[in-house]
Amino acid sequence: DQQVKQNSPSLSVQEGRISILNCDYTNSMFDYFLWYKKYPAEGPTFLISISSIKDKNEDGRFTVFLNKSAKHLSLHIVPSQPGDSAVYFCAASATGANSKLTFGKGITLSVRP
Amino acid sequence: EADIYQTPRYLVIGTGKKITLECSQTMGHDKMYWYQQDPGMELHLIHYSYGVNSTEKGDLSSESTVSRIRTEHFPLTLESARPSHTSQYLCASSGTPRGTQYFGPGTRLLVL
Repeated sequence: DQQVKQNSPSLSVQEGRISILNCDYTNSMFDYFLWYKKYPAEGPTFLISISSIKDKNEDGRFTVFLNKSAKHLSLHIVPSQPGDSAVYFCAASATGANSKLTFGKGITLSVRP
Repeated sequence: EADIYQTPRYLVIGTGKKITLECSQTMGHDKMYWYQQDPGMELHLIHYSYGVNSTEKGDLSSESTVSRIRTEHFPLTLESARPSHTSQYLCASSGTPRGTQYFGPGTRLLVL
């Protein structure tokens, strides 16, 4: 049973536009959420995180929104750039889980020039 | 940016061979992890360690074994490789209670 779901396997956007990547979770014990970016044949790179006590966290072009009641989070990238083309993984952890992360299957983002 | 290294980056090996995938980090992180990931799939935790002489099996059953004799080193061993072990293996470490993990570049393993 998948506890972190990224239901859209891929997303294509025009350069300069906004990219919105969605993630849903089922485990109500999750209270810390992260987004990672991964290029082929490389390890994931940490992008941004958010604690459940917040509903928004921003870092440059990246903003993560958390809706706890809907068990939903999203990553916004504005403006999108061709170098953003990669697989994006959503991950979550729960207090007391000793920082073990549960990952979604990832979304492949393609940014068209 | 974290300093975590994995060798080899790519490995092609025959069935039945013993292999060790190396992972080292220079941040002094207590927690280290091994994941297995196939294209289009999530990362599956196969082993983790919270410090020297501490190792635990992860959520995905694996025939591999790990050791943690030094803080900075967390090698993974397969005693007898099989084609079903073909995958990407990712090592990560974490130094904070809340669990942001930093990943190495991964090892792509192909067992013929």
